[in-house]
Amino acid sequence: GENVEQHPSTLSVQEGDSAVIKCTYSDSASNYFPWYKQELGKRPQLIIDIRSNVGEKKDQRIAVTLNKTAKHFSLHITETQPEDSAVYFCAATPTDSWGKFQFGAGTQVVVTP
Amino acid sequence: DTGVSQDPRHKITKRGQNVTFRCDPISEHNRLYWYRQTLGQGPEFLTYFQNEAQLEKSRLLSDRFSAERPKGSFSTLEIQRTEQGDSAMYLCASSSPRPDTQYFGPGTRLTVL
Repeated sequence: GENVEQHPSTLSVQEGDSAVIKCTYSDSASNYFPWYKQELGKRPQLIIDIRSNVGEKKDQRIAVTLNKTAKHFSLHITETQPEDSAVYFCAATPTDSWGKFQFGAGTQVVVTP
Repeated sequence: DTGVSQDPRHKITKRGQNVTFRCDPISEHNRLYWYRQTLGQGPEFLTYFQNEAQLEKSRLLSDRFSAERPKGSFSTLEIQRTEQGDSAMYLCASSSPRPDTQYFGPGTRLTVL
């Protein structure tokens, strides 16, 4: 089955700096990679996703890159703001088991003013 | 509110009691998923439905756990003879017929004393 590893587990950045979170996956059949943001006591919210036929996707200050050969994908947040503070989860799912997301353990991001 | 809803939001029970949680997905979504999340971890897949059919169950789902979606709309997750190790946040998610983006509910936090 799929196994997703996520690093780092905690990330502290100064407001305005960039944050990068990396995930690796094991199942080469995985082809959909969402990222979720979870604030304390709230539900996970999808912030961006990428499919295996694309190498990079951007949405304002957030971007995701995918390297299928190396089986890793990364979340990039630029110009961080205090409201970016949250736990971020990556996930992977193969087409032959749609919906069975395998999540990483999460990255606690703290943006200090 | 047209998002995924869950009830109750919190449940405290004594070891050995049975509990049942409900999830109402986004109305046009035909796929519904259950996850369990413990502190400091990403959501772990439990099971999912396409319409009323339960298509996959995780090995995490012991015999004490059962899920139903009788009319292809709301779903229930029952835990029989609860144990302290069952204490967790139980998250429900749903997705559209194109089964990729999953939208999460607020979760039911279970505490087993």
